[in-house]
Amino acid sequence: NAGVTQTPKFRVLKTGQSMTLLCAQDMNHEYMYWYRQDPGMGLRLIHYSVGEGTTAKGEVPDGYNVSRLKKQNFLLGLESAAPSQTSVYFCASSYPGLGSGRGYPYNEQFFGPGTRLTVL
Amino acid sequence: DAKTTQPPSMDCAEGRAANLPCNHSTISGNEYVYWYRQIHSQGPQYIIHGLKNNETNEMASLIITEDRKSSTLILPHATLRDTAVYYCIVRVGVKDDYKLSFGAGTTVTVRA
Repeated sequence: NAGVTQTPKFRVLKTGQSMTLLCAQDMNHEYMYWYRQDPGMGLRLIHYSVGEGTTAKGEVPDGYNVSRLKKQNFLLGLESAAPSQTSVYFCASSYPGLGSGRGYPYNEQFFGPGTRLTVL
Repeated sequence: DAKTTQPPSMDCAEGRAANLPCNHSTISGNEYVYWYRQIHSQGPQYIIHGLKNNETNEMASLIITEDRKSSTLILPHATLRDTAVYYCIVRVGVKDDYKLSFGAGTTVTVRA
């Protein structure tokens, strides 16, 4: 079990460039999340998904788009990067769904290692 | 969501118990208390959660006061690897209310 993986680990962009961050999980989780964390602050939810083909806005969605075409993957896109999007991005997943054989609490989220993004 | 209040930082001696307080005076009857921690530069890690009763697992113990307005996370024998930011989060623990709000947390430094 790799758990939650994120690609890439580091990236430097110029203002106006676009990129996609990939999150993958192999735990058959229904829910997936994208957070950002700025220096000295807690995590803030950008977008989330409660299942394949569904997405919803979180606390700070502006400037980002997401897609969940496959249950195991959750993509975060920046169409036109801005310096204010310099941050560490964390992906998480939770809720194994029925028949998992384990009594997860619904809010036990498993996090990836993060992607450090700098926008110049 | 109920708001939580944690001290910004605390120190602990290695091998001693670390007691991390959290106030959540506006907690509702159906809200759980969750604890996560974030070791430097890593993603947060789930520690424990509880509703009313005290809880214990291999990582920590959670003591919730009878009125549920505060709780304490106990790391029984702190090690240097327990140095991290600890987040206390209050949230309804049902399927359709799964989002977590991470505040600033408590920065715990375990000293040799």
